[in-house]
Amino acid sequence: DTEVTQTPKHLVMGMTNKKSLKCEQHMGHRAMYWYKQKAKKPPELMFVYSYEKLSINESVPSRFSPECPNSSLLNLHLHALQPEDSALYLCASSQVGERPEDTQYFGPGTRLTVL
Amino acid sequence: AQSVTQLGSHVSVSEGALVLLRCNYSSSVPPYLFWYVQYPNQGLQLLLKYTTGATLVKGINGFEAEFKKSETSFHLTKPSAHMSDAAEYFCAVYSGGSNYKLTFGKGTLLTVNP
Repeated sequence: DTEVTQTPKHLVMGMTNKKSLKCEQHMGHRAMYWYKQKAKKPPELMFVYSYEKLSINESVPSRFSPECPNSSLLNLHLHALQPEDSALYLCASSQVGERPEDTQYFGPGTRLTVL
Repeated sequence: AQSVTQLGSHVSVSEGALVLLRCNYSSSVPPYLFWYVQYPNQGLQLLLKYTTGATLVKGINGFEAEFKKSETSFHLTKPSAHMSDAAEYFCAVYSGGSNYKLTFGKGTLLTVNP
């Protein structure tokens, strides 16, 4: 099974709301990723977790707060977002983050709209 | 830093025709190269990847790509396009070091005409 699941599929939130995105994988992968993808653009890396520790933060604003409660779960907590944060948020996982040949498996994404 | 350039933001072919999507890379070290496909409103799916070894890489759905070091290219081909191939295609390179980062090209939208 090479599936990464993401919930919810769609999310609409106001600028004062707090919401969370959830990602789950059961492939035994130890690296998990959050990407942001704007329309007609490639994905942009936001965060990388390796062995449940945050290893990369690509200078993402603090209104995005990642969390990795265990090796199968990855959350992205959202607070005080701006309309320009509206995008498709993709989660991915790979077996071991340090190996460049490892395939990153992507989930279907959460489409976020900030009003 | 490694990077990839995809030539042509939009490619249109007829059903049954050859598909050729172009990707050139820039890298000071041997690159790890990937092609991903994204269908509308979906995540990315790996088509194929080049790490080391054989330069002709076969992937899923009849796609293949050839790593050509002399041309710094990794073009994606399929002999006969199918309507279901219509999607966005991204070439990506592993950026090296310990940052686990994939650097994506800007993408090529493939449309297949009946």
